[in-house]
Amino acid sequence: GQNIDQPTEMTATEGAIVQINCTYQTSGFNGLFWYQQHAGEAPTFLSYNVLDGLEEKGRFSSFLSRSKGYSYLLLKELQMKDSASYLCAVSGQAGTALIFGKGTTLSVSS
Amino acid sequence: GAVVSQHPSWVICKSGTSVKIECRSLDFQATTMFWYRQFPKQSLMLMATSNEGSKATYEQGVEKDKFLINHASLTLSTLTVTSAHPEDSSFYICSVLGHRNTEAFFGQGTRLTVV
Repeated sequence: GQNIDQPTEMTATEGAIVQINCTYQTSGFNGLFWYQQHAGEAPTFLSYNVLDGLEEKGRFSSFLSRSKGYSYLLLKELQMKDSASYLCAVSGQAGTALIFGKGTTLSVSS
Repeated sequence: GAVVSQHPSWVICKSGTSVKIECRSLDFQATTMFWYRQFPKQSLMLMATSNEGSKATYEQGVEKDKFLINHASLTLSTLTVTSAHPEDSSFYICSVLGHRNTEAFFGQGTRLTVV
């Protein structure tokens, strides 16, 4: 079976750092994605990991450990506009649909 | 990345009527498109895989006779919600895979409200 777990909700304050964890169990693995989604809008791509390690892109970083079936998204210098849902998604096989976790709703307060 | 256009962005229809949603890949040919559904405060659930020139592949629990998918060209897939009911009210969104055949690019989504 396929299972992707991430926390339902998280809160943080402006300027802080937050880490959103994701664990997965899938029948295959061809990469892990993080997407940001604001209410009523389509998801937007944040990061892609296929090899173990950390990928950094500005204020956002994503980490992957394939042996542990684990990833995290790290958001630094939080801003109010970062309040959104963050979706962890796995590609089980090239050419197939991404499978999404339930998403983590992040609320950033001043 | 791929540019995906979805239309309409929102629609309100009466119970029992049918609604067609279009998904276009604007800058490259997509042999495969995916249709997802998202209920409020929930994640994207894959409904079906749309294959150009052949029948769509539906996920378990999705009624193929209710959610008709047509992928007649390499740039267009349509989802028709037939005999819509209030419980079909949801956010429907299509996606295509990019040139690496892994990353998903999404249309803008369609907010369907059945009254």
